[in-house]
Amino acid sequence: NAGVTQTPKFQVLKTGQSMTLQCAQDMNHEYMSWYRQDPGMGLRLIHYSVGAGITDQGEVPNGYNVSRSTTEDFPLRLLSAAPSQTSVYFCASRTGTANQPQHFGDGTRLSIL
Amino acid sequence: RKEVEQDPGPFNVPEGATVAFNCTYSNSASQSFFWYRQDCRKEPKLLMSVYSSGNEDGRFTAQLNRASQYISLLIRDSKLSDSATYLCVVNEGTGGFKTIFGAGTRLFVKA
Repeated sequence: NAGVTQTPKFQVLKTGQSMTLQCAQDMNHEYMSWYRQDPGMGLRLIHYSVGAGITDQGEVPNGYNVSRSTTEDFPLRLLSAAPSQTSVYFCASRTGTANQPQHFGDGTRLSIL
Repeated sequence: RKEVEQDPGPFNVPEGATVAFNCTYSNSASQSFFWYRQDCRKEPKLLMSVYSSGNEDGRFTAQLNRASQYISLLIRDSKLSDSATYLCVVNEGTGGFKTIFGAGTRLFVKA
């Protein structure tokens, strides 16, 4: 079972570049979300989606865009990369049933120079 | 005040020891609770859900105290492989769709 798949696993960008982090899940989960984790800190929610065509902002949305055109895919776009966006990014999904745990991809390690 | 608070540790324990972690949450309307395990530079993985009646999975026991708004995790007979960061996670909001993560408690189990 693939579960939640994130690509790429590692990426180095220059300040001002844009890129898209990919996330796909094959569990038919309605709910998908993006988190960032900085050293010594907990996960912070960037954006989330409760279903295809619906997205909303989390705790730290600035500098990021998302879209959800299909149930399976939830890409995260960095519009103009900044060094402060150097982090590990995790995508997660869960079912639409209330109070279920989230399942995580194995992360994208992003460095902005 | 953070919505979910944990002692960051680290907890350094010998193999075979029993260790307990606590976590407090601020929203009394929180609906569901979990413990996740995160190894260094890896993704969080679900360890166990936490139920009001308490639940056990092998060497791991989780407890929820809604009146005091805290969650606990007990690890018995610690193994070297238990070394990791343990995340306390709370779902709140309508349908429990808002997930709040604690910053984690680091555990080192030594031979």
